[in-house]
Parts: sequence; C-alpha cells; structure tokens
Amino acid sequence: KNQVEQSPQSLIILEGKNCTLQCNYTVSPFSNLRWYKQDTGRGPVSLTIMTFSENTKSNGRYTATLDADTKQSSLHITASQLSDSASYICVVSQNAGNMLTFGGGTRLMVKP
Amino acid sequence: DVKVTQSSRYLVKRTGEKVFLECVQDMDHENMFWYRQDPGLGLRLIYFSYDVKMKEKGDIPEGYSVSREKKERFSLILESASTNQTSMYLCASSLGVGTGELFFGEGSRLTVL
Repeated sequence: KNQVEQSPQSLIILEGKNCTLQCNYTVSPFSNLRWYKQDTGRGPVSLTIMTFSENTKSNGRYTATLDADTKQSSLHITASQLSDSASYICVVSQNAGNMLTFGGGTRLMVKP
Repeated sequence: DVKVTQSSRYLVKRTGEKVFLECVQDMDHENMFWYRQDPGLGLRLIYFSYDVKMKEKGDIPEGYSVSREKKERFSLILESASTNQTSMYLCASSLGVGTGELFFGEGSRLTVL
C-alpha cells in the first residue's frame, strides 16, 4: 500500500532556530515529491519539488533533500521566523503525476 | 498570478440539507480536484476531473457528487448533508498530466448541525 509518513506530527521551536521535518514514503513507482506549506485557514502552497535525480534543492531558507534509495525526504528550515508557523505537507506522485499520496503533515509553531 | 477561488469560506448547514460548494480557477487547467481535510487524517481525495463533463471517484466519494460543465468550474455537491461531513473542503487545480503541482483554493469550512 502506498503510504507517506511524516514526523514529527508537531514541533515547537524558538524564532531563529533551525529545524528539520521528515517524510518517509513507500510509493512506487516514484515520480516526484513535493513539500507544501499550509498557513492556518489557507490552502496549501507548493514550496519545492524533488525528482528522482535530485538530492538537494533550496528555496530561500527552505532546503529539501531526497534519498530515493531509502525513500526519505527532509525539509530543513534555517533561521526560523514567526511566519514559518504552519503545517508542512509532503506529497508523493507516482505514474507521471497522475496519482498523489499525501502525508499527514507536520504542524510547526515558531515562538518568539 | 494563478488563482483558485472557492465560493464560500464558511458554511453552516443542517442535517439533510443539500449543499453546493463552488470552485473556479482562472489558469485554464485541465485537472480539478476536491479534497477534504480533517485533523489527524490529512487531505483525502473525494473526486477529480480531467476534462469538462468528466469525473472520477477519489478515495472517499460516498455521499458526494460533482459537476464540471465548464473547464474553469468544478462543483462539489452534498445531496443530503450529514454531521460526519463537517470538515474543511479544499479545491485544487493542476495543469496537464505529470506536473504534479496543485494550486489550492482557500478552503471552505463546512459545519453540519
């Protein structure tokens, strides 16, 4: 069964600190993996996409990694800001993007 | 800027009422989706559509139907709302097959009393 598991479920950090969110998947065949950010009361917005051949990709203070062998991805947030408080959702595509499997999300709270 | 607009941000309905949730996208995307999002369960696909007048069941279609008469509009219909359909409903669209990126609306929070 295709699954995407995210950890931790929730996380509280102090402003300015770094954090890393994890995403493990069993989806096969793999097409790509996206990280979405969902602010409270809003729809998710794509942060980054990782394809099979990519190991690392950065988008400002967000850096995503992908290990296709172990089927793991991480999202690292550097020098966190209050505006980073949100849910982060990992979504894995298979069959050229036709099928999507969603993780349960990690709820991040950044405190001053 | 791409935009997916959901007609109602908040709705309160009574059990047994018919509910329409409307979604419009201005990006000329072929694909449109309806998800519901519940705490601890993540996003679950209700229905999707790859073309006008075309619809496919997702993972949890029971109790829902959809309509896509025009490319830009995808409606979710609850024929007879029940309390277990209280949820956040998210509409999304994507361009073509294989791109993967979903563009979401702001969501419609439905409460069924």
